[in-house]
Amino acid sequence: TQLLEQSPQFLSIQEGENLTVYCNSSSVFSSLQWYRQEPGEGPVLLVTVVTGGEVKKLKRLTFQFGDARKDSSLHITAAQPGDTGLYLCAGAWYNQGGKLIFGQGTELSVKP
Amino acid sequence: DAGVIQSPRHEVTEMGQEVTLRCKPISGHDYLFWYRQTMMRGLELLIYFNNNVPIDDSGMPEDRFSAKMPNASFSTLKIQPSEPRDSAVYFCASSPITGVSYNEQFFGPGTRLTVL
Repeated sequence: TQLLEQSPQFLSIQEGENLTVYCNSSSVFSSLQWYRQEPGEGPVLLVTVVTGGEVKKLKRLTFQFGDARKDSSLHITAAQPGDTGLYLCAGAWYNQGGKLIFGQGTELSVKP
Repeated sequence: DAGVIQSPRHEVTEMGQEVTLRCKPISGHDYLFWYRQTMMRGLELLIYFNNNVPIDDSGMPEDRFSAKMPNASFSTLKIQPSEPRDSAVYFCASSPITGVSYNEQFFGPGTRLTVL
């Protein structure tokens, strides 16, 4: 059983389209992180959200933490081929040190 | 900074052989994590250390897996004996201590292990 469920698992879109990736759990997290992983490399942190309802923007990427701190979403506006990769959400609890629990990931392919 | 260094990058071995994966964390980072990534199970935490001490090894699949961190700049993950189902990409990550729950983890490039 996956503690963090991501959807969709695979997404193939054309350049210029918008998309949203979801990360859901029945658990409450102290914080949630989004990572991006390219083939042959390790994941790289994009953003951390901490407060329920928090919204953070990173250029064309918008991240939101659910009010109850159980879910999060990643929205990409006008996707570009350079956005292609595996997007992973990861939850943390304040009393678990640096431990993260990762979702299964969303494999995004943006075609020119 | 060189980032997290892992070796080897690729390992092909035969079932029953011992495999040792190595990791050098970023200098000054107090946490070190070992993960395994497969298509079926995604990125799984195997074990993590704080100041060279194992804190949580509940993700280690079975007794065939062991991990050590003899000093702040080196860790190993050993599989003995290896089995085909151990084939995966193994990542090491390190993290600084900041007193909050959301430390960024810095990942190495991974070791792709294939057990024939």
